[in-house]
Amino acid sequence: DTAVSQTPKYLVTQMGNDKSIKCEQNLGHDTMYWYKQDSKKFLKIMFSYNNKELIINETVPNRFSPKSPDKAHLNLHINSLELGDSAVYFCASSQALLAEHTDTQYFGPGTRLTVL
Amino acid sequence: AQTVTQSQPEMSVQEAETVTLSCTYDTSESDYYLFWYKQPPSRQMILVIRQEAYKQQNATENRFSVNFQKAAKSFSLKISDSQLGDAAMYFCVFRDNYGQNFVFGPGTRLSVLP
Repeated sequence: DTAVSQTPKYLVTQMGNDKSIKCEQNLGHDTMYWYKQDSKKFLKIMFSYNNKELIINETVPNRFSPKSPDKAHLNLHINSLELGDSAVYFCASSQALLAEHTDTQYFGPGTRLTVL
Repeated sequence: AQTVTQSQPEMSVQEAETVTLSCTYDTSESDYYLFWYKQPPSRQMILVIRQEAYKQQNATENRFSVNFQKAAKSFSLKISDSQLGDAAMYFCVFRDNYGQNFVFGPGTRLSVLP
């Protein structure tokens, strides 16, 4: 019974293409996140959505556009892919931002994106 | 802005022994949360332990415990009776009280030797 799932697990594509990564959580959480992990394993937050509303938007190129159709889903769409976009992308979720004992994040398995 | 430092890029420990991973952070806030996450080769990010800054008592979770020194802004993880399955990348994570800022350290790769 997967808590946070991402599809696809692996994505290989050519430079310049547009691709999407889907994320779904069945935990009933209000907040979802996207992280990028580079080749040196450094993990950096990209976006955070709370109840389908954008809360955090770190400095990422506007080629990256998150979309939250409902609070159980946060998809990441990337336009005009570049070589530097190659990384592992993690989706995560947590309960409401300010509630007690709800700060724990649950991560998806990651999507390895390779741009050729 | 908050920063998290893990000064040990790699560590190794003999099976059944104890190892301590270090983490320091910088913040001007008084209320915040700290976590240790583990990332095995499967890439899944797994929560190991969490600590609320307002609690003086160190968190423990089975073989995992922390040494939280708020004044020193230090948050080390001790793994007792190390097992082969503990081999992974370990990330120290800071979260502010408003829940809008999660900051990951650069990670420590732990190897467990049989």
